[in-house]
Amino acid sequence: DAGVIQSPRHEVTEMGQEVTLRCKPISGHNSLFWYRQTMMRGLELLIYFNNNVPIDDSGMPEDRFSAKMPNASFSTLKIQPSEPRDSAVYFCASSLRGTGHGYTFGSGTRLTVV
Amino acid sequence: AQSVTQLDSQVPVFEEAPVELRCNYSSSVSVYLFWYVQYPNQGLQLLLKYLSGSTLVESINGFEAEFNKSQTSFHLRKPSVHISDTAEYFCAVSEGSGGGADGLTFGKGTHLIIQP
Repeated sequence: DAGVIQSPRHEVTEMGQEVTLRCKPISGHNSLFWYRQTMMRGLELLIYFNNNVPIDDSGMPEDRFSAKMPNASFSTLKIQPSEPRDSAVYFCASSLRGTGHGYTFGSGTRLTVV
Repeated sequence: AQSVTQLDSQVPVFEEAPVELRCNYSSSVSVYLFWYVQYPNQGLQLLLKYLSGSTLVESINGFEAEFNKSQTSFHLRKPSVHISDTAEYFCAVSEGSGGGADGLTFGKGTHLIIQP
């Protein structure tokens, strides 16, 4: 298994532009999570899905952020418009709910908004 | 709501010395507890977990953690550290019946620095 695959690995964009981060979870996993990591705030859970359905999006910072999971093998996190304070590493993770195996994280997308 | 406190942001230790990374949590219900490790420029990897049963859990690379319900702690220990253990360590807690697959809440992390 290739693990959780995130793209791109690095993204540099100008303030005001739309940014789309992508995630392919492990095949067979039924839960998917988006986290943001910064030095100031550490790891923050943004949103998670069970069986492609968003369960808790209370961590999404504001309306500029949106996430979708159109099928079991793909999810996107979109920021529109982007701002410098959105600069962070964004991680996607997946798991098989109910097994207690924990999460498998992707390698992350390092976003820099200038 | 659940929360996790990692009391030390940075822990310097000499190689082959023992280490303890502290983690305390708050929750009103039963919890599942995890330690993750993050090496530079990588994602987080599961190190060990407590779901139920024995309160002492071990990883394959010599780390162990003990769940202490009365003290709401889940400290991570290793009797002898190696240079390769240099990394960021995150404690995490989950409430719910999903075997730990509901949203995890992470502590802010402890940077373990191994000095030769």
